[in-house]
Amino acid sequence: QISLQESGPTLVRPTQTLTLTCSFSGFSLTGGGVAVAWIRQPPGRALEWLALVYGDDTKFFRPPLKSRLTIGKDTSKNQVVLTLADMDFADTATYYCALSGDPYFTSWGQGALVTVSS
Amino acid sequence: YVLTQTPSVSVAPGETARITCGGNDIGDKRVHWYQQKPGQAPVLVVYDDRYRPSGIPGRFSGSNSGNAAALTISGVEAGDEADYYCQVWDTGRDRVVFGGGTKLAVL
Repeated sequence: QISLQESGPTLVRPTQTLTLTCSFSGFSLTGGGVAVAWIRQPPGRALEWLALVYGDDTKFFRPPLKSRLTIGKDTSKNQVVLTLADMDFADTATYYCALSGDPYFTSWGQGALVTVSS
Repeated sequence: YVLTQTPSVSVAPGETARITCGGNDIGDKRVHWYQQKPGQAPVLVVYDDRYRPSGIPGRFSGSNSGNAAALTISGVEAGDEADYYCQVWDTGRDRVVFGGGTKLAVL
């Protein structure tokens, strides 16, 4: 049974760095064929892909946000961590992590709402 | 790379809904579709243009050719009311692209 769960702060201040953790079970993030991705959705708006990391540590980032994003995996803990620096009000969104195939997203976490407010 | 979806589609129960996703030479890419109901995470309903994950009813089907891909839902049910998103991998820029979403209303 595959499951993913996002965790992190629900409220961040402008200019702070957001750190989100995706804890997963039911699969192993090793090798080049499996990846975990982060996708966000601002309230009432469309899905927006942010980043993904493969088991061989290959990483891809959303181009306009690349300078603000980092993604890393801890295989021993079955976790993937996303950081987004210099948070802005426009970064308010529900953040999802998802298991990625080729790449499409076969299993999703329930999502974590992050609000940017001063 | 931009994926264009009609913002909304309305159908009566039992009819067929066709949700399109436009993109330049999208037929050369593999298109994936997600269903998202209010307050829930998206669910993959079609991958690689036309394949259904386990558990997705046969009423959901996909096609892709030229500059448009489509998700077709036959015999629409009230429970199909949701937002639907198409998605591709933009090989040229190594990034995932989502369409803007289509809200399916079942009248």
